[in-house]
Amino acid sequence: QVQLVQSGAEVKKPGASVKVSCKASGYTFTSYDINWVRQASGQGLEWVGWMNPNSGNTGYAQKFQGRVTITKNTSISTAYMELSSLRSEDTAVYYCARDNWGLDFWGRGTRVAVSS
Amino acid sequence: SYELTQPPSVSVSPGQTARITCSGDALPKQYAYWYQQKPGQAPVMVTYKDSERPSGIPERFSGSSSGTTVTLTISRVQAEDEADYYCQSADSSGSYRVFGGGTKLTVL
Repeated sequence: QVQLVQSGAEVKKPGASVKVSCKASGYTFTSYDINWVRQASGQGLEWVGWMNPNSGNTGYAQKFQGRVTITKNTSISTAYMELSSLRSEDTAVYYCARDNWGLDFWGRGTRVAVSS
Repeated sequence: SYELTQPPSVSVSPGQTARITCSGDALPKQYAYWYQQKPGQAPVMVTYKDSERPSGIPERFSGSSSGTTVTLTISRVQAEDEADYYCQSADSSGSYRVFGGGTKLTVL
């Protein structure tokens, strides 16, 4: 069965970077784009960016351009989302999701807290 | 930046029909998707490509599109349908995905 297993919760100081992983199983990793979505507590969903695991092509929301990088390690079917220059407003749950004409499978989310 | 607009809340009695709208200028050109999210859980896709339904989603959930507005219709609403619902689409270029602000469905 399709699964996306994300790395554990992180606590970071303002100005630091965080790298969240998303390990895919149950399907061919390179066949579907991976999207990253975040959700601050009590707030709505916010699209962060996407990656094609086959080509490595990426696209990022304008809000995050220059601060976010999505990468992959195809040999272990894992995608990564790195966000730099963290600020308190980046405190949120970060989800990875498979894009198959819509985000059909989601990870359980990784909580990232930014606090001094 | 491109935005999708949803009503913040919709209330309906059990057994009735709930309709949640989502408006955006690029919706005539781009497919829309709907997600259900319950507290503490990851979202679940309930419709895709405007009106298709994933396997395992009850037939009570349906999507439709008309011009710059897409609608999620939930027929014969049940208590378990109480959740936040989000529409998602892309800007006119297709390069950037976007979510609506979300609609809280309350089952009275």
